[in-house]
Amino acid sequence: AAGVIQSPRHLIKEKRETATLKCYPIPRHDTVYWYQQGPGQDPQFLISFYEKMQSDKGSIPDRFSAQQFSDYHSELNMSSLELGDSALYFCASSPTERGDRETQYFGPGTRLLVL
Amino acid sequence: GDSVTQMEGPVTLSEEAFLTINCTYTATGYPSLFWYVQYPGEGLQLLLKATKADDKGSNKGFEATYRKETTSFHLEKGSVQVSDSAVYFCVLAGGTSYGKLTFGQGTILTVHP
Repeated sequence: AAGVIQSPRHLIKEKRETATLKCYPIPRHDTVYWYQQGPGQDPQFLISFYEKMQSDKGSIPDRFSAQQFSDYHSELNMSSLELGDSALYFCASSPTERGDRETQYFGPGTRLLVL
Repeated sequence: GDSVTQMEGPVTLSEEAFLTINCTYTATGYPSLFWYVQYPGEGLQLLLKATKADDKGSNKGFEATYRKETTSFHLEKGSVQVSDSAVYFCVLAGGTSYGKLTFGQGTILTVHP
């Protein structure tokens, strides 16, 4: 079965640089979520999109922005990177079907290292 | 707001031992409950779920029952294997935080041969 695709899988950046993470949801999933997981921590919700509109916002820094495109893929743009941004970034998607909308399926993550 | 509390880890067991990882939650409304598993160096995989009270989720020998009266969703497995070594997250969806998931702090499980 198709899964959530994230790219790149690994990314190394310098401080103050920018990074763009991409997420391709499972086909027929219209909602995308972004999470950040620091070392040894549980994932923290950043932002979500439903039908290309922002639907909820969590602890996302103002330096970060995201959007969902017409093909439902999403991009997380991170500027002025800081050392503390080093983390695993997950994208998840959930289906349109009633009764399963709350189930989120996660991608493999992008591991970002800021030097 | 919503919250999930898991038993502290790490948990270390011998192969074929019985596993219980406790999970309790606080939420308003009628949340759905999940267990996700994260193997070393990998992403989060949905292990099982339950969407209403008294539902039992099961997968790969793991089980958890949604107990509204005790606000619990404990994970159990009768006989663990070395390959079950991973981090297990108890997760809540719905409640007051519709759309975003609320995670427990995760429990590290290590199974020795």
